[in-house]
Amino acid sequence: DVQMTQSPSSVSASVGDRVTITCRASQGISNWLAWYQQKPGKAPKVLIYGASNLQSGVPSRFSGSGSGTDFTLTISSLQPEDLATYYCQQAHIFPLTFGGGTKVDIK
Amino acid sequence: EVLLVESGGGLVQPGGSLRLSCAASGFSVSNNYMSWVRQAPGKGLEWVSVIYSGGSAYYADSVKGRFTISRDDPKNMLYLQMDSLRVEDTAVYYCARDPSHIYAMSWGQGTLVTVSS
Repeated sequence: DVQMTQSPSSVSASVGDRVTITCRASQGISNWLAWYQQKPGKAPKVLIYGASNLQSGVPSRFSGSGSGTDFTLTISSLQPEDLATYYCQQAHIFPLTFGGGTKVDIK
Repeated sequence: EVLLVESGGGLVQPGGSLRLSCAASGFSVSNNYMSWVRQAPGKGLEWVSVIYSGGSAYYADSVKGRFTISRDDPKNMLYLQMDSLRVEDTAVYYCARDPSHIYAMSWGQGTLVTVSS
């Protein structure tokens, strides 16, 4: 199975800060990667698919990059409503696998 | 508007069975990639299964041989038949869809399955 390792597991930042979350795959997955945001008590929501494609309706402060084994989700200017846990998921090889999640807190 | 509504969750004893349903509206399940994803209490997301538009299905190793994904195209419904349930299957189960790939572009609100004696 492809292991997806996210870091950090949690981050606390101030409103307006730039936040970067990384996701590393245990083997190459080309650009078959999505990022999801899950707010407390809610279902997840897709932010990025195909490693760098912004889902319609998602604010442009979110961006994704990477290919192969190393990927990044960047929030360019953290907003209070970004309080959530963020997950990466590879969709290249079955079984599909998620990263362990990164919890983003607002200072 | 795309809408997914799961149902069928509840309390079941270890070794028991349960069938989850997902009612879809605003699109056709027949021409989408339809998935189930679960989340144990306080834990992260775990992919469970996907069914392609052509009918091919794939499963996580943890549920293979015990769970079966299916759909009813005329009713526009997705199902997950869960047999030989274990305590570790306790989770909120979400259905999801993607029109083009096997990501999860739209999600339901989830249904809680509790396996306990």
